[in-house]
Amino acid sequence: GEDVEQSLFLSVREGDSSVINCTYTDSSSTYLYWYKQEPGAGLQLLTYIFSNMDMKQDQRLTVLLNKKDKHLSLRIADTQTGDSAIYFCAAKNSGYSTLTFGKGTMLLVSP
Amino acid sequence: DTGVSQDPRHKITKRGQNVTFRCDPISEHNRLYWYRQTLGQGPEFLTYFQNEAQLEKSRLLSDRFSAERPKGSFSTLEIQRTEQGDSAMYLCASSATRQGSNEKLFFGSGTQLSVL
Repeated sequence: GEDVEQSLFLSVREGDSSVINCTYTDSSSTYLYWYKQEPGAGLQLLTYIFSNMDMKQDQRLTVLLNKKDKHLSLRIADTQTGDSAIYFCAAKNSGYSTLTFGKGTMLLVSP
Repeated sequence: DTGVSQDPRHKITKRGQNVTFRCDPISEHNRLYWYRQTLGQGPEFLTYFQNEAQLEKSRLLSDRFSAERPKGSFSTLEIQRTEQGDSAMYLCASSATRQGSNEKLFFGSGTQLSVL
């Protein structure tokens, strides 16, 4: 089955860019997602990318996909303290209806 | 539209008791999912419904776990004879999906279960 891996922790200063990385194993994954989770809360969908794209930009968020290496990244420009949270990468194969999540990357933004 | 709603937010129970959680999806979302999240882990898929039909339940953790969505709207997740290892956050998500389209899951805030 699908396996999704993420680095566990990232610390940046306010105003810097943050880059969170993710790798997945199933080359037939068709959609890849980024979710944000704040303490004690559910998951908030941030953005997604279809596997036939290599980049998607949405305001401060940029998603890059390297399908050959099965590598996905989320770049947050001008990171703010309110961006501190856990970020989850998730992959979906069109033949299945479930998302497979990574363990999450904790982003800590210091003033 | 108030989003996905889960009740209760927190549940503390004693080992061996039964618990039931409720999820109200976004209205007109035809799919409803249950996930479990333990500390330091990503959400783990349990089961899902399309309307009232439960299409996948092999990932339920044991036969102590069951879920229903009787009228294709709200859903309940029941855990019988709870064990300490069942302590986790139980997340519900819903989506409005069409064949072949991108499926965006919207999550509720979860029910945090503590089994003493």
